[in-house]
Amino acid sequence: EDQVTQSPEALRLQEGESSSLNCSYTVSGLRGLFWYRQDPGKGPEFLFTLYSAGEEKEKERLKATLTKKESFLHITAPKPEDSATYLCVRGSYIPTFGRGTSLIVHP
Amino acid sequence: ETGVTQTPRHLVMGMTNKKSLKCEQHLGHNAMYWYKQSAKKPLELMFVYSLEERVENNSVPSRFSPECPNSSHLFLHLHTLQPEDSALYLCASSLGGSGREQYFGPGTRLTVT
Repeated sequence: EDQVTQSPEALRLQEGESSSLNCSYTVSGLRGLFWYRQDPGKGPEFLFTLYSAGEEKEKERLKATLTKKESFLHITAPKPEDSATYLCVRGSYIPTFGRGTSLIVHP
Repeated sequence: ETGVTQTPRHLVMGMTNKKSLKCEQHLGHNAMYWYKQSAKKPLELMFVYSLEERVENNSVPSRFSPECPNSSHLFLHLHTLQPEDSALYLCASSLGGSGREQYFGPGTRLTVT
């Protein structure tokens, strides 16, 4: 059973078209919920950490939110440079990565 | 040099070879990690060194052997690998254990022939 499930697997947006990425996770033993961005051929880049339900964090066009069983990464008015794979990670004794959402933003 | 560096960036090796991957972090962190990233699969944690303790994923074959001589350096020794071991191997570091954000290196692209 996957401990982290991300959806959609792939998302294509037009520049300026806002949307949200979803991450559902198992709660037991959680030590934080993390979001990373990964560009092709590179290592993941840290974006956000969320520790408790109701918490929100923002960075430029990105906002991450956390409920008791899900986290959302909201992308407002995306630009082509936001194109990347976004990874959700369940922090625990052994961190568990989701499969990621591949985002493509067309100009 | 800043951040997390990995060498080599690309490696091609035969199944009978022995090679090592190197990782160095310049962030003052005290935990280091090895991950494997295969096509169409999520990142898979292989090993963690945190506060001089080693944690390993029990599914990692013994042909992979980590070494962490100090908090800034991490090695992954490879021997008698299989073609299915071809993947991107990523090193990461953090300040504190697995409940903290990690900073990744660029990875080593390994091809086993």
